Amino acid sequence: DIQMTQSPASLSASVGERVTITCRASQSIRSYLNWYQQKPGKSPKLLIYSASSLQSGVPSRFSGSGSGTDFTLTISSLQPEDFATYYCQQSYSAHALSFGGGTKVEIK
Amino acid sequence: EGQLVESGGGLVQPGGSLRLSCAASGFTVRNNYMSWVRQAPGKGLEWVSVFYSDHNTYYGESVKGRFTISRDNSKNTLYLQMNSLRVEDTAMYYCARGPVLMGASDAFDIWGQGTMVTVS
Repeated sequence: DIQMTQSPASLSASVGERVTITCRASQSIRSYLNWYQQKPGKSPKLLIYSASSLQSGVPSRFSGSGSGTDFTLTISSLQPEDFATYYCQQSYSAHALSFGGGTKVEIK
Repeated sequence: EGQLVESGGGLVQPGGSLRLSCAASGFTVRNNYMSWVRQAPGKGLEWVSVFYSDHNTYYGESVKGRFTISRDNSKNTLYLQMNSLRVEDTAMYYCARGPVLMGASDAFDIWGQGTMVTVS
């Protein structure tokens, strides 16, 4: 099975800061990589699909990049509503989908 | 846009069984792939199972042989039959539409609010 490793596990940042989260796959997954945002007590929400495509309605301060094994989610200017946990997810292996461990973004 | 509503969660003893339901509205489950994802308290997301067709279903290693995913097209509902439940199966169980083809990938684009399963 493909293992997804996110770093860091958590980070503290201030409003307006640029934030970068990394996701690494245990083997090449081409661009079969998605990012989700989850706020406390809520279900996950799709942010980015296909490594770099913004889901409809998601603010443009969110962006994704990468292919193969290394991927990045960037928030260009952190807003109060962005404090949440972010997960990457691979869909390359259709028989064994998997998520990263998550990155919790907290207020500094 | 579509909506998913899960039900069927609750408290069950180890070794017991439970069946979760996921009712869809705004789209038909027959025309979509559907999945279950769970989240243990304070932990991350774990993919559980996917339904591609009646003879094309897959499971995570931790639930293989114990859980069964199925679909009732007439009720537009997805199910998860959970047998031989363990304490470690305690989690919020989410139903999600997907994988849905999006660009060069497949993603979960609609999620339910979840139903809590406690094994104790």
